[in-house]
Amino acid sequence: QQQVKQSPQSLIVQKGGIPIINCAYENTAFDYFPWYQQFPGKGPALLIAIRPDVSEKKEGRFTISFNKSAKQFSLHIMDSQPGDSATYFCAASMHRDYKLSFGAGTTVTVRA
Amino acid sequence: EAQVTQNPRYLITVTGKKLTVTCSQNMNHEYMSWYRQDPGLGLRQIYYSMNVEVTDKGDVPEGYKVSRKEKRNFPLILESPSPNQTSLYFCASSLRDVTDTQYFGPGTRLTVL
Repeated sequence: QQQVKQSPQSLIVQKGGIPIINCAYENTAFDYFPWYQQFPGKGPALLIAIRPDVSEKKEGRFTISFNKSAKQFSLHIMDSQPGDSATYFCAASMHRDYKLSFGAGTTVTVRA
Repeated sequence: EAQVTQNPRYLITVTGKKLTVTCSQNMNHEYMSWYRQDPGLGLRQIYYSMNVEVTDKGDVPEGYKVSRKEKRNFPLILESPSPNQTSLYFCASSLRDVTDTQYFGPGTRLTVL
């Protein structure tokens, strides 16, 4: 059973739009929440990560929002570009852990 | 260049024929891990290693073996592959654990007939 539930499975936006990907978890011991970006034919690469002591983190056009009480977190891609077209995975782990639980992934297509 | 390499990149084999997928990193990382990626399931952790000679099971270890005799290498062994092990496999490494930046290899696409 997947410990991190991710939605939607895929989404298509126009250039400049804001795709939003949502993830939910049950294990309250999780305290590290990374997002990975994967281009076709490549391995995933760490995009941005957040810990539950903050509600929002921005890196360039990518923003993570975190809602600890709802056990949910989401990725927003501001001013999306065709080069952002990729599969995005959320994940979660406990503090300084060796196990990482991934969501099922979201394929984002940004149309020019 | 800091990188994780995997070989082979593509492999087609038959049921029961033992195979090894190699993984090597040049960043002196202590932590290494193997994942499989399947449509609709995301990435699932197979085995991980905290350091030389220290390995443990992930979420889907059945049918796989690993070893960590040297810090840089972490091979994945399928002693008797079955069709349900057809998948895309990724090796990853990080400094100490998953909360450090994990660097992924390019992937190995395995087909078991």
